[in-house]
Amino acid sequence: DAGVIQSPRHEVTEMGQEVTLRCKPISGHNSLFWYRQTMMRGLELLIYFNNNVPIDDSGMPEDRFSAKMPNASFSTLKIQPSEPRDSAVYFCASSHTSGSYGTQYFGPGTRLTVL
Amino acid sequence: DAKTTQPPSMDCAEGRAANLPCNHSTISGNEYVYWYRQIHSQGPQYIIHGLKNNETNEMASLIITEDRKSSTLILPHATLRDTAVYYCIVRVGDDLVFGKGTRLSVIA
Repeated sequence: DAGVIQSPRHEVTEMGQEVTLRCKPISGHNSLFWYRQTMMRGLELLIYFNNNVPIDDSGMPEDRFSAKMPNASFSTLKIQPSEPRDSAVYFCASSHTSGSYGTQYFGPGTRLTVL
Repeated sequence: DAKTTQPPSMDCAEGRAANLPCNHSTISGNEYVYWYRQIHSQGPQYIIHGLKNNETNEMASLIITEDRKSSTLILPHATLRDTAVYYCIVRVGDDLVFGKGTRLSVIA
């Protein structure tokens, strides 16, 4: 079975540009998570969805970040405008159930560099 | 903040068992212990999880003390491909709160 799919794998952009990261969760999974990883802060949860509905977005840094999940098989994380401090690896994960009983499976990540 | 404490790094000889400790002294009765690892430049990979009983799967074994205040992840026959950062996580609801983990180096 295909795992979590993320695109693009690498993105280089200039400050001020809009960036859109994409994620396709594992088929049948009903929870989707967006994480960010940097050397300074490690892995941080940004937002997660359950049954396509955003449940907790308290980790989203600021209004420049937005996430959508229009259907069960697709989610986007958008940064507008991007800043150099947004440079990081962004991971998407999905699980079959929410809560402590759902094992999360991670995608390969998108490495974002904002110049 | 992460609710676990792990040594920052460990070495293990190839072919030997790797025993990775984790302290979680403030764990609550309904909180699971999860282990993930992250190989360089890849996404975190699920290894195993447990509540209070010892668990074993094709990748590893998880030993949880009776008082649940600590646990040990055992890789029975470590290979060079097991070199990674290993994260011990006490699961609170939907969140996986990653700490700094243990960097395991398997040495030939």
